[in-house]
Amino acid sequence: AQSVAQPEDQVNVAEGNPLTVKCTYSVSGNPYLFWYVQYPNRGLQFLLKYITGDNLVKGSYGFEAEFNKSQTSFHLKKPSALVSDSALYFCAVRVNSGGYQKVTFGIGTKLQVIP
Amino acid sequence: NAGVTQTPKFRILKIGQSMTLQCTQDMNHNYMYWYRQDPGMGLKLIYYSVGAGITDKGEVPNGYNVSRSTTEDFPLRLELAAPSQTSVYFCASSKRDRETGQYFGPGTRLTVT
Repeated sequence: AQSVAQPEDQVNVAEGNPLTVKCTYSVSGNPYLFWYVQYPNRGLQFLLKYITGDNLVKGSYGFEAEFNKSQTSFHLKKPSALVSDSALYFCAVRVNSGGYQKVTFGIGTKLQVIP
Repeated sequence: NAGVTQTPKFRILKIGQSMTLQCTQDMNHNYMYWYRQDPGMGLKLIYYSVGAGITDKGEVPNGYNVSRSTTEDFPLRLELAAPSQTSVYFCASSKRDRETGQYFGPGTRLTVT
């Protein structure tokens, strides 16, 4: 069975400061990892993904994420937070295998950027 | 390119009523999904489809049915609405390539009273 943990319900950060939203995963085999963002009353939007290669992946809106295989983590980061980054963030994992493989989502972390 | 569209945006049902949530995508994606989102619970997969004519159950299929007669459409049917089905429902689609992310619709907020 695969699982995703987002240990923080909410992360508060001051505008202009760096932000980190944590994610750890458990999967049998190599993972595909994703981050999504959800603004109020909207569907989820894809931010970035890790498939293979460089451990640091860059995505939309200045976000990046660092894959750490030994710690089974895929934390989302941004060097300088904006108020407009305030939203709900979801980490997701899928096993790197043939055919259809389900995606498991975390429960989400609310990011609040304080002006 | 409209992406993934869902109708209706909001609906209130009485217990025992039935309804169909519509989902259409214009990206020629093979895979389509239905999720429900409850506060503090993340997303739970209800049903998914890997192509026209092929559907399968997700984690929480009870009380729902789906069909996939075309690549574009993936309606979700609630036959006998129950209060436990009060939720926000999201339809999503993705390419067959398993490396890509999913594209989500704007959601349908359903209340069963």
